[in-house]
Amino acid sequence: QQQVKQSPQSLIVQKGGISIINCAYENTAFDYFPWYQQFPGKGPALLIAIRPDVSEKKEGRFTISFNKSAKQFSLHIMDSQPGDSATYFCAASWSGNTGKLIFGQGTTLQVKP
Amino acid sequence: NAGVTQTPKFRILKIGQSMTLQCTQDMNHNYMYWYRQDPGMGLKLIYYSVGAGITDKGEVPNGYNVSRSTTEDFPLRLELAAPSQTSVYFCASSPLGGRLGRNQPQHFGDGTRLSIL
Repeated sequence: QQQVKQSPQSLIVQKGGISIINCAYENTAFDYFPWYQQFPGKGPALLIAIRPDVSEKKEGRFTISFNKSAKQFSLHIMDSQPGDSATYFCAASWSGNTGKLIFGQGTTLQVKP
Repeated sequence: NAGVTQTPKFRILKIGQSMTLQCTQDMNHNYMYWYRQDPGMGLKLIYYSVGAGITDKGEVPNGYNVSRSTTEDFPLRLELAAPSQTSVYFCASSPLGGRLGRNQPQHFGDGTRLSIL
């Protein structure tokens, strides 16, 4: 019930295309869903996050879509660029749990020029 | 601000040796965390701390110990290194929840790559 399942494990997209990464969760107490971006040799960095009171959040080319009834959320990267090539992690957490995050397994994105 | 600083960046240990992974943050964050990252497995929480003097186990604590004597520092100790502890270790910190007690973003260091042979 604490798991967050992420797919696909790897993704190859052409420059200018749309990258879509999906996550699913079981615990309905989760109320914070961040996405982290990680470049080789670096730590994860927060990309964008959403709370379940909205169904979509957009920041530049990055959009989170959230489906509370299906217990799923996804990251969409519009106009994907080679510089977006990285590993992406979804995560989930719930208020009052001291900020502990449950991470998905990660998706390695390669954007081809 | 340097953010979260981890040392060393790389280390090779022999089975049975011990070592301490250092983590310090200069953002005055109350919460600190240790994760390990293994290929295809995401990040797993080892230990966490909600403030100086308070620590608790995460999902995979066996073989590790932590202490939190100051707000800034949160070292992770491996007492008897085993090959299964070969991994990349990340330290992170976050501030207290906001007005509604909601979780705040975690800030990560750049990791310690540890190999145990």
